[in-house]
Amino acid sequence: SQTIHQWPATLVQPVGSPLSLECTVEGTSNPNLYWYRQAAGRGLQLLFYSIGIGQISSEVPQNLSASRPQDRQFILSSKKLLLSDSGFYLCAWTLVTGGGYTFGSGTRLTVV
Amino acid sequence: DQQVKQNSPSLSVQEGRISILNCDYTNSMFDYFLWYKKYPAEGPTFLISISSIKDKNEDGRFTVFLNKSAKHLSLHIVPSQPGDSAVYFCAAPGGTSYGKLTFGQGTILTVHP
Repeated sequence: SQTIHQWPATLVQPVGSPLSLECTVEGTSNPNLYWYRQAAGRGLQLLFYSIGIGQISSEVPQNLSASRPQDRQFILSSKKLLLSDSGFYLCAWTLVTGGGYTFGSGTRLTVV
Repeated sequence: DQQVKQNSPSLSVQEGRISILNCDYTNSMFDYFLWYKKYPAEGPTFLISISSIKDKNEDGRFTVFLNKSAKHLSLHIVPSQPGDSAVYFCAAPGGTSYGKLTFGQGTILTVHP
């Protein structure tokens, strides 16, 4: 069966520090991968999506970047965190265009 | 441009009663809609979906109604249980490619015992 792993579960980072969140999917090949963010009191905002290795599309301009070094690995990064980067970050995957998502358990990022 | 909107940030109901969560959309070309449920500090989980060619889909205590003329869908939970307390998101395909989903802002449902 397919599973999605996301870590760490919680993270507290100072302003200006780097960030690396990792997401891996097991049990499937060539998934579409997504990074979402849920800011406090807000809905789910799509940040990045990827349809293949090295193929990244950004939905909103921001202080973050994403990479997909392997088929089932999706990484969210930042060189210098801002206070506004705080939020709940979710990785998700789907196999076919138009399907529903399976979400990871999320990472609570607090920038202090 | 927010294509999917949930205008009620919160809803409080008594256990055993009906919960009705609402969602409006602007794009009449959406092929389907989904509802997700999210507990604190967890990722959303899929709850129920409906194709745009239907006006109702039922799964146990959960029923989703679609009113295409009004561009409105609603999720009914009957009877509501305390374990249903969570944030509920409606979602629709966010574009023409790559399976993107556009989510509403979410509605916090609280079911009181």
